[in-house]
Amino acid sequence: GENVEQHPSTLSVQEGDSAVIKCTYSDSASNYFPWYKQELGKRPQLIIDIRSNVGEKKDQRIAVTLNKTAKHFSLHITETQPEDSAVYFCAAIGPGNQFYFGTGTSLTVIP
Amino acid sequence: DTAVSQTPKYLVTQMGNDKSIKCEQNLGHDTMYWYKQDSKKFLKIMFSYNNKELIINETVPNRFSPKSPDKAHLNLHINSLELGDSAVYFCASSQLEANTEAFFGQGTRLTVV
Repeated sequence: GENVEQHPSTLSVQEGDSAVIKCTYSDSASNYFPWYKQELGKRPQLIIDIRSNVGEKKDQRIAVTLNKTAKHFSLHITETQPEDSAVYFCAAIGPGNQFYFGTGTSLTVIP
Repeated sequence: DTAVSQTPKYLVTQMGNDKSIKCEQNLGHDTMYWYKQDSKKFLKIMFSYNNKELIINETVPNRFSPKSPDKAHLNLHINSLELGDSAVYFCASSQLEANTEAFFGQGTRLTVV
């Protein structure tokens, strides 16, 4: 199956700074790459996604980039706020609709 | 309306017991999943069901068995519970071949004592 690696595992930034989380995947057939945010004690929820025919997507302070040749994709959060503190998961989905998640990044935004 | 609901939310049980966690989705999705999230927060896929057929089963002990009476439900049965089974279990659903997000249930925190 797919193998998704995610870095870093923990990330601390000052409020207002940017945060970047990177993921790599192994299966070149994967064609959908969502990012999930999980707040403490809650369920993972989608924050942004990108499909293989697009190289970049932005939604307000959040952006995702995809390099299919290198098989990596990244999440960028600008102007971070304390409420951005959470665990973030990337995922790669290929034929058969199997969701394989990265190992998670615990982001702490320091006020 | 809750899109994906699972019960119970908390489950405390003794080693050796058999327990079940129920999951229902009202989104009309045709694929459902069970994930285990351990203390390190890893989301490990356990099973997925597509149109009532098991299409993936990672290296999960056979004490765990999914049961899908219809495509809106995917229950998880666990036999002979062990301490290492303590974790949060998430049910999720998505639509096959739509490249759309998976929706998660609220999770079931299982504690084996």
